[in-house]
Amino acid sequence: DGGITQSPKYLFRKEGQNVTLSCEQNLNHDAMYWYRQDPGQGLRLIYYSQIVNDFQKGDIAEGYSVSREKKESFPLTVTSAQKNPTAFYLCASSIRETSGAWNIQYFGAGTRLSVL
Amino acid sequence: AQSVAQPEDQVNVAEGNPLTVKCTYSVSGNPYLFWYVQYPNRGLQFLLKYITGDNLVKGSYGFEAEFNKSQTSFHLKKPSALVSDSALYFCAVRDRDDKIIFGKGTRLHILP
Repeated sequence: DGGITQSPKYLFRKEGQNVTLSCEQNLNHDAMYWYRQDPGQGLRLIYYSQIVNDFQKGDIAEGYSVSREKKESFPLTVTSAQKNPTAFYLCASSIRETSGAWNIQYFGAGTRLSVL
Repeated sequence: AQSVAQPEDQVNVAEGNPLTVKCTYSVSGNPYLFWYVQYPNRGLQFLLKYITGDNLVKGSYGFEAEFNKSQTSFHLKKPSALVSDSALYFCAVRDRDDKIIFGKGTRLHILP
């Protein structure tokens, strides 16, 4: 899983609670991403950030929030507004090619979130 | 819209036999295509990519993929399957906004 560390590995959320998933990378990559993985649905993009202090919504951003205060860190908060948070969450990072396009993505080992 | 399809949810192959995992894509312009593999409870690992050049792309762990522009396909192949190849495989395409769109995945079972 390269230089991307996700923690915790397992996380449990109570009703009405916000929880934060950590993602740290030491690859000096500019871009970072959060995906949600559900069985049979592949990966869906939640949020991404291509530069510090800036981020964009992905396809399923509702009920989630992020920050990018440091290049190395891109934490994801699952808020109480996310009514179905049980899933496997994956963080990834990538570096821009000399052509200007974003290169392959490197993934962390994931965090499995369950609702109590 | 850019999209990628993996028509098979699961593929079963006997150990030692050749394997193929299928992928078709729909993009405007030249496609940037990828294959990733995921082992249980782990993140995705990059296998190979096609940007331009030879239609046969070689990647990690003995895998290769064949780009076919007329059929808009990018099938993953390996000449001789190993039990350790059993995993979930994702095809992906880079869209016009430079994001990666992943297929739904194909579970590969290699039978000993």
